[in-house]
Amino acid sequence: DAGVIQSPRHEVTEMGQEVTLRCKPISGHNSLFWYRQTMMRGLELLIYFNNNVPIDDSGMPEDRFSAKMPNASFSTLKIQPSEPRDSAVYFCASRWTGGGYQPQHFGDGTRLSIL
Amino acid sequence: GENVEQHPSTLSVQEGDSAVIKCTYSDSASNYFPWYKQELGKRPQLIIDIRSNVGEKKDQRIAVTLNKTAKHFSLHITETQPEDSAVYFCAGPRSGAGSYQLTFGKGTKLSVIP
Repeated sequence: DAGVIQSPRHEVTEMGQEVTLRCKPISGHNSLFWYRQTMMRGLELLIYFNNNVPIDDSGMPEDRFSAKMPNASFSTLKIQPSEPRDSAVYFCASRWTGGGYQPQHFGDGTRLSIL
Repeated sequence: GENVEQHPSTLSVQEGDSAVIKCTYSDSASNYFPWYKQELGKRPQLIIDIRSNVGEKKDQRIAVTLNKTAKHFSLHITETQPEDSAVYFCAGPRSGAGSYQLTFGKGTKLSVIP
């Protein structure tokens, strides 16, 4: 089991640039979650997908953030244009919704720094 | 949505002592409560979870208890070791969202002093 795979692990870019974060969920998992973690706000859910369909994006900070899941094996979180306050660690997590309550499994995260 | 309150925010214990972290929730329909451990610079990892049909679950030195009446659940770590030092997060399902979404507590930074 390769686990949830995120890329890049680290991203440093200047404000105003477009940032794209990538996630490959665990094979067979049909729910995918994007989180943002900061010291001030903790672990915040941004958006989640079920069977590739966005279900709840109420956590997305503003229109600069967008997420897609074109297939069961891949999702992206895009920030355009990026701002310094977007600096955080972004985690992707996945789970399988069958068989009762199943836990979410996290990727190693992307540490994003916007200068 | 669900509110999950976690206490304390920091906890220091001597090696070998026990550590207890408590979380409260607001939605009486909540029925799944996982605990995650996050070491510095790493991802949150599930260490134990409990469903609402049981009051306690143990896994070696870790146990979780659930009090549905009082709407709180706790993580107990016995015989603490330095490698237990990490940030621990509790979580509960969001109200009205089935079991798909989790609301996380703010975390407890546990330091085990050798």
